[in-house]
Amino acid sequence: SQKIEQNSEALNIQEGKTATLTCNYTNYSPAYLQWYRQDPGRGPVFLLLIRENEKEKRKERLKVTFDTTLKQSLFHITASQPADSATYLCATADNYGQNFVFGPGTRLSVLP
Amino acid sequence: DTAVSQTPKYLVTQMGNDKSIKCEQNLGHDTMYWYKQDSKKFLKIMFSYNNKELIINETVPNRFSPKSPDKAHLNLHINSLELGDSAVYFCASSQDVRGGETQYFGPGTRLLVL
Repeated sequence: SQKIEQNSEALNIQEGKTATLTCNYTNYSPAYLQWYRQDPGRGPVFLLLIRENEKEKRKERLKVTFDTTLKQSLFHITASQPADSATYLCATADNYGQNFVFGPGTRLSVLP
Repeated sequence: DTAVSQTPKYLVTQMGNDKSIKCEQNLGHDTMYWYKQDSKKFLKIMFSYNNKELIINETVPNRFSPKSPDKAHLNLHINSLELGDSAVYFCASSQDVRGGETQYFGPGTRLLVL
C-alpha cells in the first residue's frame, strides 16, 4: 500500500533562516501533492498544491518542489518567522481522489 | 461566516454509549469527508461522500456510520464507543473529489471515551 513519510517529527530553526521540510512517498505515483498547515487545536489549512507535471510552485515566502524520480516533495519557507511555527502536513491522492493520504506531519518551531 | 462547522467541539462520554457528531459546510461543495486524528497526530481519512453518496470507506469498524441528509451535511454516528475511539475527528469539504481540490477543514471534535 502507499506510504508517505515526512523527514522529521520536529524541526527547530532560527528566525530569518529558510526552513526545508521533506515529504517522501513509496509504492505510489500520486497525481498531485498538497501541503497543509495545522496549528494546535485547529484543523489543517491548505497552503499549496503541486501537480506531477510541475517542478516547482511558489506563493509568497513558500516554495514547493516535486521530484517524481526521487518520489519526494520539498517545502521551503524563506525568511521564517515565529508565526510560521506550526505542524506542516503533506497529502497526496490520485486524480480520482482515491487513496488520499496525509503524512504524519513535521512540527516546525521558529525561534526568535 | 464559518465555512465548515462541527458540533460538538468537545465530547466526553462513557464506554458503550452511542454518540453523534454533526458537520455542516456553507461553501456549496459537493464532497465531504471525515478524518480521525489520533494521539500521535496522524490524520487518517475515514469516509468520503460526493453528492450524498459514499465514495471512500476506509477500514473503519462498522460501529461508525456516516449519514449525509444533503450535500451540505455529513454526520458521524458512533455506536458502542470504545476507549480507542478517543481522538479528534475532523470534517472537511472540497468542491469535487477529483484533481487535487483543496480541502477545507472544520475545527474538530475532541472525543474522550472514559
